[in-house]
Amino acid sequence: EDQVTQSPEALRLQEGESSSLNCSYTVSGLRGLFWYRQDPGKGPEFLFTLYSAGEEKEKERLKATLTKKESFLHITAPKPEDSATYLCAVQGLSGGSYIPTFGRGTSLIVHP
Amino acid sequence: DTGVSQNPRHKITKRGQNVTFRCDPISEHNRLYWYRQTLGQGPEFLTYFQNEAQLEKSRLLSDRFSAERPKGSFSTLEIQRTEQGDSAMYLCASSLEGRSRTDTQYFGPGTRLTVL
Repeated sequence: EDQVTQSPEALRLQEGESSSLNCSYTVSGLRGLFWYRQDPGKGPEFLFTLYSAGEEKEKERLKATLTKKESFLHITAPKPEDSATYLCAVQGLSGGSYIPTFGRGTSLIVHP
Repeated sequence: DTGVSQNPRHKITKRGQNVTFRCDPISEHNRLYWYRQTLGQGPEFLTYFQNEAQLEKSRLLSDRFSAERPKGSFSTLEIQRTEQGDSAMYLCASSLEGRSRTDTQYFGPGTRLTVL
């Protein structure tokens, strides 16, 4: 069974204070790993898809990296508008299914 | 591309009533997914369709839950005889098969259900 563990559960940063969020996973063959951003009361917003170890993707102040066991979402010089819950999900290769397994998310608050 | 839409955005109902939610996927997407999300948790998969075929429904939470996707376009999720434990956010997502190595899903805004 695929598993995703995100840490920390909550993170408070000062504006401009860079940090990283962690997503540890176990999967029987990785089809893809996803990062989403979710604002309160809204649906998840797609950020990145990573396919294989060593891959990196960037978007504005966010950079996602992938190893064989975990993924990091690096936030450089965050702003208050980056405050949200960040969700990680994996799709495994077993059974040909495209059903993703989500972690519980990291709640990020960036103070001005 | 107007994104995934869901209606209603909020639904308040009394225990024992039936409710139905609608999801309109991104127009060219052939896969459609339903999830439930409770506070502090990630989305929990319920069921999915490829075109009009429901390919996975074993994770629907009980036989009170059912979903349809007539003609492979919009989808509905129905909950019969609602219980207070059904209170949650119900999310819909869609994706396009074959464009990439995996299946990137795009979510709608969700329907918040409150059962009194």
